[in-house]
Amino acid sequence: DTGVSQDPRHKITKRGQNVTFRCDPISEHNRLYWYRQTLGQGPEFLTYFQNEAQLEKSRLLSDRFSAERPKGSFSTLEIQRTEQGDSAMYLCASSLGRDGYTFGSGTRLTVV
Amino acid sequence: GENVEQHPSTLSVQEGDSAVIKCTYSDSASNYFPWYKQELGKGPQLIIDIRSNVGEKKDQRIAVTLNKTAKHFSLHITETQPEDSAVYFCAANVFPGGSQGNLIFGKGTKLSVKP
Repeated sequence: DTGVSQDPRHKITKRGQNVTFRCDPISEHNRLYWYRQTLGQGPEFLTYFQNEAQLEKSRLLSDRFSAERPKGSFSTLEIQRTEQGDSAMYLCASSLGRDGYTFGSGTRLTVV
Repeated sequence: GENVEQHPSTLSVQEGDSAVIKCTYSDSASNYFPWYKQELGKGPQLIIDIRSNVGEKKDQRIAVTLNKTAKHFSLHITETQPEDSAVYFCAANVFPGGSQGNLIFGKGTKLSVKP
């Protein structure tokens, strides 16, 4: 068990481009979460999967954002038509049931 | 909705001293309160958590206390060491029997331990 893996670690993209991030949770964890963290702030909830079902989405998740978790394994977060305000650290976490989340190291997105 | 306030935003202590970080929450239904440590360039790491049926929990130099009546909880680090320097986040959420499953975080406390 190598923990929660996120790829890529860093992504620089031009405004208007689409980007996709990947998260591989701890294998036996059925819950997967995406959070966004901007500089000097705590992580903010984006969305949550239980197995392959996306059960909750934050108001922060605009129509340009979409997340999937096919077959209840890895998850992807896609941002379409990126804007400078999308620049942030995107964190993925997983948990088994209701217990403590394990976070990945995040993907740092910079939109130029 | 849930709101979590965290104080102080920065804290500087001498090595060996104690550090205390305090958080308040707004939703009386919250029943799970974890604390995370985040080092530069890394994701948050769970260091201790407490559930609402417990008033205090300790793990070596780290302890957490919970006052449900006042809706606040605190992190206590004793005998601080330079490697304790990091940003610490508190969080709170409700875990009903349904599908809701997210944490609301405080804004963090940057702890600096001076050797």
